Amino acid sequence: AQKITQTQPGMFVQEKEAVTLDCTYDTSDPSYGLFWYKQPSSGEMIFLIYQGSYDQQNATEGRYSLNFQKARKSANLVISASQLGDSAMYFCAMRENTGNQFYFGTGTSLTVIP
Amino acid sequence: DTGVSQDPRHKITKRGQNVTFRCDPISEHNRLYWYRQTLGQGPEFLTYFQNEAQLEKSRLLSDRFSAERPKGSFSTLEIQRTEQGDSAMYLCASSRDRPFNTEAFFGQGTRLTVV
Repeated sequence: AQKITQTQPGMFVQEKEAVTLDCTYDTSDPSYGLFWYKQPSSGEMIFLIYQGSYDQQNATEGRYSLNFQKARKSANLVISASQLGDSAMYFCAMRENTGNQFYFGTGTSLTVIP
Repeated sequence: DTGVSQDPRHKITKRGQNVTFRCDPISEHNRLYWYRQTLGQGPEFLTYFQNEAQLEKSRLLSDRFSAERPKGSFSTLEIQRTEQGDSAMYLCASSRDRPFNTEAFFGQGTRLTVV
């Protein structure tokens, strides 16, 4: 089974609007971390936001927030007030306490329309 | 620049040749990862080092691939007898050891093209 599933290959959003990128995960480890990365066309993976499995509140970092629904095993990224520079690939990732590697989804390509 | 550094950024090689990539992690990070990313896909795990010890290898890492981190600092990834299917972006990342859920920082990658 896929550890991380991102079902939206591509998304479009109007500049200044909010957008939600979906991510579901699969793990039996009670302790894990969820991460979102941005990958512009230049190729570098840029860390955006982190949510721990025991965190009671949803994580926020500036215009990024993570909608964490533990029972549904979802960790959706919300980008508010989209900017043209937000156009990029976005990857959801997970690391389990019992493991070493980060598992990545297949990504969502976000295009911000002026 | 104190980020993760990878060299070279681009490599074109003929099929059957050997190639070696280098990764310099963030200096205080003792965890180092290699990932491979093909077009339209997410990064796929190749291998992981804790200091100089290679603790985990993916099934993707065939016998033609070898990685080292001799002094727990920089790492090299070598591919022997390259094949066209090896064409991909090779990403290196590093992270602190604790807390376990700390994020990994990625380099800009080495794009390999096998012709």
